[in-house]
Amino acid sequence: AQSVTQPDIHITVSEGASLELRCNYSYGATPYLFWYVQSPGQGLQLLLKYFSGDTLVQGIKGFEAEFKRSQSSFNLRKPSVHWSDAAEYFCAVGSNTGNQFYFGTGTSLTVIP
Amino acid sequence: DSGVTQTPKHLITATGQRVTLRCSPRSGDLSVYWYQQSLDQGLQFLIQYYNGEERAKGNILERFSAQQFPDLHSELNLSSLELGDSALYFCASSNGGGNTIYFGEGSWLTVV
Repeated sequence: AQSVTQPDIHITVSEGASLELRCNYSYGATPYLFWYVQSPGQGLQLLLKYFSGDTLVQGIKGFEAEFKRSQSSFNLRKPSVHWSDAAEYFCAVGSNTGNQFYFGTGTSLTVIP
Repeated sequence: DSGVTQTPKHLITATGQRVTLRCSPRSGDLSVYWYQQSLDQGLQFLIQYYNGEERAKGNILERFSAQQFPDLHSELNLSSLELGDSALYFCASSNGGGNTIYFGEGSWLTVV
């Protein structure tokens, strides 16, 4: 069955430190992978996506993610976190038919000065 | 701004009542998805429509129903509301084929 696991419920980092948010997926075919960010009271905004090609994808706000098929992972990274990055981050996997997108339970990021 | 419009933004209603949430997808998008987000359940997929027809169904209760109209806007109908239905309901849209889905800002439903 298709699923997405975000093992870290909550992460706290200092401003300026590097960040890595983990995402593992289970999917029977070639996955379409996404990272979304949700600020309090807001909708989900797309950070980046992977469909095919280069396994390292760049997104908005300085984020990047790397697709590792052998590990079924799609971890999100940022070299230097800003206070405005504090939010909830969701990893998602979708099919090439566009039917259903499976979301992880999210990782809440706190940034301390 | 994602281009997906949801109304109303906030809604307070009593148990047992019925409400309708409305979604206008991005221009050109044929697929509409509905999600429920609550503190204890996370982001739950409810249902998807594609060009007016139901395409996929997730954890949608029988008390809930949805439809997509010829102009592609969609409505989510929630009836016999319970306290546990209080949540943020998101609509998202895509042009299908596995492309990115874009979310609206959600409709906050509070059942009292």
